[in-house]
Amino acid sequence: TQLLEQSPQFLSIQEGENLTVYCNSSSVFSSLQWYRQEPGEGPVLLVTVVTGGEVKKLKRLTFQFGDARKDSSLHITAAQPGDTGLYLCAGALGTYKYIFGTGTRLKVLA
Amino acid sequence: DAGITQSPRHKVTETGTPVTLRCHQTENHRYMYWYRQDPGHGLRLIHYSYGVKDTDKGEVSDGYSVSRSKTEDFLLTLESATSSQTSVYFCAIRSGQGPNYGYTFGSGTRLTVV
Repeated sequence: TQLLEQSPQFLSIQEGENLTVYCNSSSVFSSLQWYRQEPGEGPVLLVTVVTGGEVKKLKRLTFQFGDARKDSSLHITAAQPGDTGLYLCAGALGTYKYIFGTGTRLKVLA
Repeated sequence: DAGITQSPRHKVTETGTPVTLRCHQTENHRYMYWYRQDPGHGLRLIHYSYGVKDTDKGEVSDGYSVSRSKTEDFLLTLESATSSQTSVYFCAIRSGQGPNYGYTFGSGTRLTVV
């Protein structure tokens, strides 16, 4: 069974702090995605990374795909209350489907 | 906006009754998926479809069946609901091109089996 483990599970920080969320697996993925989910809604795609070592930036969010394509990280600079939510990583199994990690629940306090 | 609608948004049903959840999309996407989300388990794939009448099982398909008679509709049926099927169910479509495709999710159906 392929597993995607995310850490930490919960994170509560003050506005303005930096944080990093990790997504790790023993499996190699052809691509990996990050989503953010807010209460009562479905996850929303933030980014897809494809190449080992790839780094993508989305405003204050920086995503990195590990060189071996088994892990990824999400770094948020100067977190804001609007960043609060559940962050999910998802790794591609073949072409048509992804497996999801269990998520990191982030709360940013004003 | 990919135009995905799930119905109903909330449902309470009794153990042993059949339940059907509906996912409707308006953009003619080929691939559609049903996931369930539970605390501590994240999102788990139940079934997916790669075209009209073409479906396949995911990792947690026992007790569920699906049908896709039209491109726009993907139905998930719980043949005889059990308490372990209490969950939030999400439908998704696959959008985008090449390796940068992603999922667009519906808003979910919260199902409670009592």
